Amino acid sequence: NAGVMQNPRHLVRRRGQEARLRCSPMKGHSHVYWYRQLPEEGLKFMVYLQKENIIDESGMPKERFSAEFPKEGPSILRIQQVVRGDSAAYFCASSPTSGGRSTDTQYFGPGTRLTVL
Amino acid sequence: GEDVEQSLFLSVREGDSSVINCTYTDSSSTYLYWYKQEPGAGLQLLTYIFSNMDMKQDQRLTVLLNKKDKHLSLRIADTQTGDSAIYFCAETFSGGYNKLIFGAGTRLAVHP
Repeated sequence: NAGVMQNPRHLVRRRGQEARLRCSPMKGHSHVYWYRQLPEEGLKFMVYLQKENIIDESGMPKERFSAEFPKEGPSILRIQQVVRGDSAAYFCASSPTSGGRSTDTQYFGPGTRLTVL
Repeated sequence: GEDVEQSLFLSVREGDSSVINCTYTDSSSTYLYWYKQEPGAGLQLLTYIFSNMDMKQDQRLTVLLNKKDKHLSLRIADTQTGDSAIYFCAETFSGGYNKLIFGAGTRLAVHP
């Protein structure tokens, strides 16, 4: 059973360009979470999605950031008009359930390291 | 509010035990987790404990939970150089689904 897949693993963008980060959850998992890790810091929650629905985007900046998890295909985190402060590692996690059960455990992908020049 | 705190660094000698501590604020968290991150890598789930448990043991790992003091610890017995990594404590958000709130991580250095 393949784990959570993320691509690309490394992404370099110039200021003003767009960054698209992809996440394929583990097989059988319909809950996806995105987290951001700034250098030397812990992970900060950004957004939680189920298939075709955004459940909680309270951790996501109001502008330039968007996320989706379509019925078919991977979840996408999109950052428009990137700035240097967007440079970070972006991690995706997935779980089979989400509601106070042991099966809520989140499994993380390897991350995408975004560098904005 | 939601906050998880950890000490930033821990240095131990190979073969000794390591104890990494964590405090959290949300008393209604159902599960608490320990993740390990090696340089340039993602997060590896080490273990988790349900909030109605005091202790959980898994091979070299022992998790202790003091719910009254909101204190969680991870003990690694017979620490090896391969255990050198950053260890993150995380609690679940109490809002009905499993959003994780992470500490800043404890960097464990194991020396000969």
